[in-house]
Amino acid sequence: QKEVEQDPGPLSVPEGAIVSLNCTYSNSAFQYFMWYRQYSRKGPELLMYTYSSGNKEDGRFTAQVDKSSKYISLFIRDSQPSDSATYLCAMSAIPGGGADGLTFGKGTHLIIQP
Amino acid sequence: GAGVSQSPSNKVTEKGKDVELRCDPISGHTALYWYRQSLGQGLEFLIYFQGNSAPDKSGLPSDRFSAERTGGSVSTLTIQRTQQEDSAVYLCASSLGLAGNLGGDEQYFGPGTRLTVT
Repeated sequence: QKEVEQDPGPLSVPEGAIVSLNCTYSNSAFQYFMWYRQYSRKGPELLMYTYSSGNKEDGRFTAQVDKSSKYISLFIRDSQPSDSATYLCAMSAIPGGGADGLTFGKGTHLIIQP
Repeated sequence: GAGVSQSPSNKVTEKGKDVELRCDPISGHTALYWYRQSLGQGLEFLIYFQGNSAPDKSGLPSDRFSAERTGGSVSTLTIQRTQQEDSAVYLCASSLGLAGNLGGDEQYFGPGTRLTVT
């Protein structure tokens, strides 16, 4: 069992829809959770950063963490074609991951249809 | 301000040759990370520097891989005697290196170096 599981997709939704992206993990020591967006042939771009359980909202993006279920989600409201990209979840037990770095999911390929 | 830069952006090399990849972190960022992203795989952590020091090199895939950081800034990742399985995108990230629950440890990535070993 991999430490972080993420459905690779592709996930295709119409413009304006609410998108839900998810990751599950097995390491209960993880406390820091991130979502990155990666466009083709570009580096990952940090979207959301949360600590421990709870919700965090930033514009059209909402990140949720449920540590009891070892489950994290990213919601995108009013999705736009420009949101089409691969979304990577990442997590760590200590800030930044230190000598272990961040542990990433494989990413979900999202397509927003105009 | 300037983000993380990496060079070269693309590198094609023959099997058995050595390659050197460069990362220039965001100014003032003390922590630097190297990752590898292979086709169909997630990002694989390779090594972490705090300042010029790498406390744990066990994430490097083999002894053909080495990394150094000088002056607390630029880092180089060297792959000796390259193999076809080394083909991947090598990504560098940097952060302020602050340890706390209020942030300061967010990692910002460069555009990567796409390495192809023929």
